Amino acid sequence: KAGVTQTPRYLIKTRGQQVTLSCSPISGHRSVSWYQQTPGQGLQFLFEYFSETQRNKGNFPGRFSGRQFSNSRSEMNVSTLELGDSALYLCASSWGPDRGSLYEQYFGPGTRLTVT
Amino acid sequence: QKEVEQNSGPLSVPEGAIASLNCTYSDRGSQSFFWYRQYSGKSPELIMSIYSNGDKEDGRFTAQLNKASQYVSLLIRDSQPSDSATYLCAVTRGSTLGRLYFGRGTQLTVWP
Repeated sequence: KAGVTQTPRYLIKTRGQQVTLSCSPISGHRSVSWYQQTPGQGLQFLFEYFSETQRNKGNFPGRFSGRQFSNSRSEMNVSTLELGDSALYLCASSWGPDRGSLYEQYFGPGTRLTVT
Repeated sequence: QKEVEQNSGPLSVPEGAIASLNCTYSDRGSQSFFWYRQYSGKSPELIMSIYSNGDKEDGRFTAQLNKASQYVSLLIRDSQPSDSATYLCAVTRGSTLGRLYFGRGTQLTVWP
């Protein structure tokens, strides 16, 4: 079974620009969660989408947004990039058909964003 | 108080020893508990999940959960140099099941 895929893997952007990251979950999984990982803050939760609806949201400014499509693929967008947005952005999929492992989240390889 | 706290490490053990990683959580409503392994430059990989009190074994890994003490641990038996990584403890809460609360991680080094 294919794992979680994320594109692009690496991205370099300039302050003030915007960026869109994509995530394709494991086939059959209905939930996609997004996390930001930095050396200083660790793993921080951005938001979670389930069946095209945002179900949970972390404490990030409105510049960070996301959406989920009917095929469960998800995108996150960051507008007006700041230097502090440089991080590894991870998506994770969960809520597959196996009820015994509903809450297990499987991570993609991440997108490394560098803002200059 | 942080949601999830781990012994900060780093932890260093010789090859063949038992590595013990600990984690405490603050919310008694926490329901699901996970251990992830993250190699440098890679994404977190799920290695253990545990949902009820007691021990759960999978190969060289044993997860232990004590909900009364709000404590979860991971034991790695017969540690190998390939186990050298950062280990992340994560929990879910009943009100936000699609969200994982992570500790800061414990860096483990297994030396030959």
